Amino acid sequence: EAQVTQNPRYLITVTGKKLTVTCSQNMNHEYMSWYRQDPGLGLRQIYYSMNVEVTDKGDVPEGYKVSRKEKRNFPLILESPSPNQTSLYFCASRPGRRTDTQYFGPGTRLTVL
Amino acid sequence: AQSVTQLGSHVSVSEGALVLLRCNYSSSVPPYLFWYVQYPNQGLQLLLKYTTGATLVKGINGFEAEFKKSETSFHLTKPSAHMSDAAEYFCDLMNRDDKIIFGKGTRLHILP
Repeated sequence: EAQVTQNPRYLITVTGKKLTVTCSQNMNHEYMSWYRQDPGLGLRQIYYSMNVEVTDKGDVPEGYKVSRKEKRNFPLILESPSPNQTSLYFCASRPGRRTDTQYFGPGTRLTVL
Repeated sequence: AQSVTQLGSHVSVSEGALVLLRCNYSSSVPPYLFWYVQYPNQGLQLLLKYTTGATLVKGINGFEAEFKKSETSFHLTKPSAHMSDAAEYFCDLMNRDDKIIFGKGTRLHILP
């Protein structure tokens, strides 16, 4: 089944404890992206990747890192999480062209205490 | 700067009534525009998209949207609301440097 998977789905952590949220897609998509969703703010793009080893900042990249060493994986890294990073995070992928549909993962709900 | 504005964070319509969700954009070049739906506790799924060509775009579940360049709008409509349409709807814009800009979303409530 074609899908985007994220792990973990739920995470409660404490300030300053490094964490990684994994994202994987099995559709051979070139483009992958991370978003955070906050009430009243909609979805905001954190980082995106056009292909392996090619990443770029979205609108809200501060406090996050990403890497794209393999086409299928695009992990989101929070080196020192803070409470303002408490949010619902979505990973998405699309084949490559700007007109292509994005496919979203199920979301990761992160709470930073 | 490019932006997407969705008018009304909450919209309520009666079952069977017309659904109209508004989306206006700001872009210096013709954008690609998308509407997504998010059901509770789920990710987003595509309803429809405008890239080029016909300005009236039909999507899934009876929804359609019309791209109006002169009004910089891409409003989403459905002739007759169904209870299952209750969800949150997002309009988004794809620009030429591959960044994606979402509107803040509109939660649609269907009244029995």
